Amino acid sequence: GAVVSQHPSRVICKSGTSVKIECRSLDFQATTMFWYRQFPKKSLMLMATSNEGSKATYEQGVEKDKFLINHASLTLSTLTVTSAHPEDSSFYICSAIRPVNTEAFFGQGTRLTVV
Amino acid sequence: AQSVTQLGSHVSVSEGALVLLRCNYSSSVPPYLFWYVQYPNQGLQLLLKYTTGATLVKGINGFEAEFKKSETSFHLTKPSAHMSDAAEYFCAVTLTGANNLFFGTGTRLTVIP
Repeated sequence: GAVVSQHPSRVICKSGTSVKIECRSLDFQATTMFWYRQFPKKSLMLMATSNEGSKATYEQGVEKDKFLINHASLTLSTLTVTSAHPEDSSFYICSAIRPVNTEAFFGQGTRLTVV
Repeated sequence: AQSVTQLGSHVSVSEGALVLLRCNYSSSVPPYLFWYVQYPNQGLQLLLKYTTGATLVKGINGFEAEFKKSETSFHLTKPSAHMSDAAEYFCAVTLTGANNLFFGTGTRLTVIP
């Protein structure tokens, strides 16, 4: 099946710093990618829709200035958590849509810990 | 609006026993329905999906699910549980033609040897 690579898989950062998470579709071009956040023992919450070449669409309640999304190419979307705080600690997962059958493929996830 | 309800946040079965994970959906239009599995600290892997056509859908690892419109359900089953099936399972729904998935709260499956 198609492969979506997410990097890094784990990151620990200090409060107040910024962290960038990359999501790459390795064997297909994805005009649309999604970013999800998963809280402990909770489901995945859609944060935003990342569209190649245009601004991301954020879900209600998600701070766009805090969670910066850039989809500069058809194979790469990045999520930058700016001025991170301990409450931003979570598991972040991306998915990329393969156009041929509109199926979603998920990255391995990134566990962010802010200390 | 669409939503998914998974009954039972934790299900335990004995190895070799039937696995039944429940999912009910709410959608104003015909939905696409999915089951994903998540192993610890990993992303999600698609088990199976229903879009149109046959209501009994077979997936990977011996899992299957049946779309029942009258019951607005899409329960996941496997005749005989294996130790490797222990994981978190998510039911998800999206509207026809859309790509953004709405997930249930997940069911953690434990398999007892």
